[in-house]
Amino acid sequence: GNSVTQMEGPVTLSEEAFLTINCTYTATGYPSLFWYVQYPGEGLQLLLKATKADDKGSNKGFEATYRKETTSFHLEKGSVQVSDSAVYFCALITGGTSYGKLTFGQGTILTVHP
Amino acid sequence: NAGVTQTPKFQVLKTGQSMTLQCAQDMNHEYMSWYRQDPGMGLRLIHYSVGAGITDQGEVPNGYNVSRSTTEDFPLRLLSAAPSQTSVYFCASSQGGGRDTQYFGPGTRLTVL
Repeated sequence: GNSVTQMEGPVTLSEEAFLTINCTYTATGYPSLFWYVQYPGEGLQLLLKATKADDKGSNKGFEATYRKETTSFHLEKGSVQVSDSAVYFCALITGGTSYGKLTFGQGTILTVHP
Repeated sequence: NAGVTQTPKFQVLKTGQSMTLQCAQDMNHEYMSWYRQDPGMGLRLIHYSVGAGITDQGEVPNGYNVSRSTTEDFPLRLLSAAPSQTSVYFCASSQGGGRDTQYFGPGTRLTVL
């Protein structure tokens, strides 16, 4: 089956620090990979995605590269802001019998201090 | 476009009560789904629908019913609430399912006493 593993949280950083949140996956078939973000009190928003190996998704200064050889999709940002404080979810989707079904990691809480 | 809307935002039930969580989307999306979010477990799929009149079970369907009579609406019914159903519930939709990007509603926080 499909599964996603994210690094243990919570993660606490100072403003302008470098961020990495690790994500690895196992999948039957060829997955598309996503990062979703959940700000306090809100639903999930798509942050970025990648659909094939070596693709780099990017948005709002965040980046993640689809690494098929290491089955990873790590999220990075060069300089975090207080407004980036949120919960980040790595997720994947495959075709076939898993049609349309997102598989999520457990989420990583990020807190950024001024 | 309102996107995906959910009502109510908060709900408290007693064990054994029933209720319906409402979900609607105005993007003419064919695919809709329900997830529950529990601490340390990410989101897990409850039920999904690939179009009006078609529904199927996800990973954790027990205790929940769904129906899809229109493209816009996808209500989730709890027949006899249990404390184990205390969770945050999210509805999502996408254009055609498959690998299409899914858009999430704001969630319903349910507490069962």
